[in-house]
Amino acid sequence: DAGVIQSPRHEVTEMGQEVTLRCKPISGHDYLFWYRQTMMRGLELLIYFNNNVPIDDSGMPEDRFSAKMPNASFSTLKIQPSEPRDSAVYFCASSLSRGSGNTIYFGEGSWLTVV
Amino acid sequence: SQKIEQNSEALNIQEGKTATLTCNYTNYSPAYLQWYRQDPGRGPVFLLLIRENEKEKRKERLKVTFDTTLKQSLFHITASQPADSATYLCALDGSNTGKLIFGQGTTLQVKP
Repeated sequence: DAGVIQSPRHEVTEMGQEVTLRCKPISGHDYLFWYRQTMMRGLELLIYFNNNVPIDDSGMPEDRFSAKMPNASFSTLKIQPSEPRDSAVYFCASSLSRGSGNTIYFGEGSWLTVV
Repeated sequence: SQKIEQNSEALNIQEGKTATLTCNYTNYSPAYLQWYRQDPGRGPVFLLLIRENEKEKRKERLKVTFDTTLKQSLFHITASQPADSATYLCALDGSNTGKLIFGQGTTLQVKP
């Protein structure tokens, strides 16, 4: 399997612009997670889906952030409008529910810089 | 409040020694705890999972312990090598719903 695929790998954008990050989970996985990683706050869970349905979005920082999962093989995380404090690495991850103990597989991340 | 705490200071050890990393948690009752490795510029990679009814788990040079009374997990790398240098993250599912929460990670530097 190709693993979790994220795009773009790097993005530099100007404050106020819309940013869309994309993710293709591992085929057959029914959980999808969006995490954000910064030096100050570490790895934070933003939102996760189970069978394409958002289960918990309590980590989404504010209304400027939105995430969708239109089908089992694709998800987007959108920031509109972007701000410099959104600069971070955004990771998408997926897992296969197997009872207790779901191992999460991460993509390589999307490195976002908002100037 | 709920917290997962790992030593934020980097751990520097000599090649061949045993590295021990600590993960403490507060106000969680996880059914299991996981450890991940993250290299610079890469996503975290799963290493080991230990369940609440397991005291210890081993995989090659890695060993994890889980003490639900102390609310602590220890992660050991024996006979450490420079290639083990990375950041190690612990994670747990505090609500047993599949929502995995991570500690800040501890950076390990193994010197030759």
